[in-house]
Amino acid sequence: GENVEQHPSTLSVQEGDSAVIKCTYSDSASNYFPWYKQELGKRPQLIIDIRSNVGEKKDQRIAVTLNKTAKHFSLHITETQPEDSAVYFCAASIAGNQFYFGTGTSLTVIP
Amino acid sequence: DTAVSQTPKYLVTQMGNDKSIKCEQNLGHDTMYWYKQDSKKFLKIMFSYNNKELIINETVPNRFSPKSPDKAHLNLHINSLELGDSAVYFCASTPTDTDAGYTFGSGTRLTVV
Repeated sequence: GENVEQHPSTLSVQEGDSAVIKCTYSDSASNYFPWYKQELGKRPQLIIDIRSNVGEKKDQRIAVTLNKTAKHFSLHITETQPEDSAVYFCAASIAGNQFYFGTGTSLTVIP
Repeated sequence: DTAVSQTPKYLVTQMGNDKSIKCEQNLGHDTMYWYKQDSKKFLKIMFSYNNKELIINETVPNRFSPKSPDKAHLNLHINSLELGDSAVYFCASTPTDTDAGYTFGSGTRLTVV
């Protein structure tokens, strides 16, 4: 089955700096890659996703890039704010099927 | 009008007891899942149901049994609870055969004492 690795496991940045979280996947058939943000005590919530026919997608301060050849994808957060502090999960799936989650990145934005 | 709702939100129980967690979604999704999130935050899939058919069972102990009375509900029943079952359990749903993210429920924090 699919194996998703996520790095780093913890990340601290100063407010206003950028944060980058990287994931790799093993199954070349995976074609859908969502990212989830989980605040303390809350449910994971979808913040952005990318499909395999797209190399990059941006939504305000958040962007995701995908390199199908290398089988890795990344989340970029610019101009970080304290409210960005949370655990972030990447996932990979074949459309409509089970998601395989990464192990999570705990992001702390220091005011 | 919550999309995916779980009850109860908190559950504290003694070892050896049997308990159930309920999940309902009003999104019209075809597939529902149960995930276990341990203290290290890892999201581990337990079950998924598609049109009332179990399609994934990831080496979960048979003390755990999913029950789906209809497409909108997927309940989780746990027999003979053990200390290691303490975790947060999330229900999620998604439409089938489309590119769409999961919608998660609010989670049930289970503590076995």
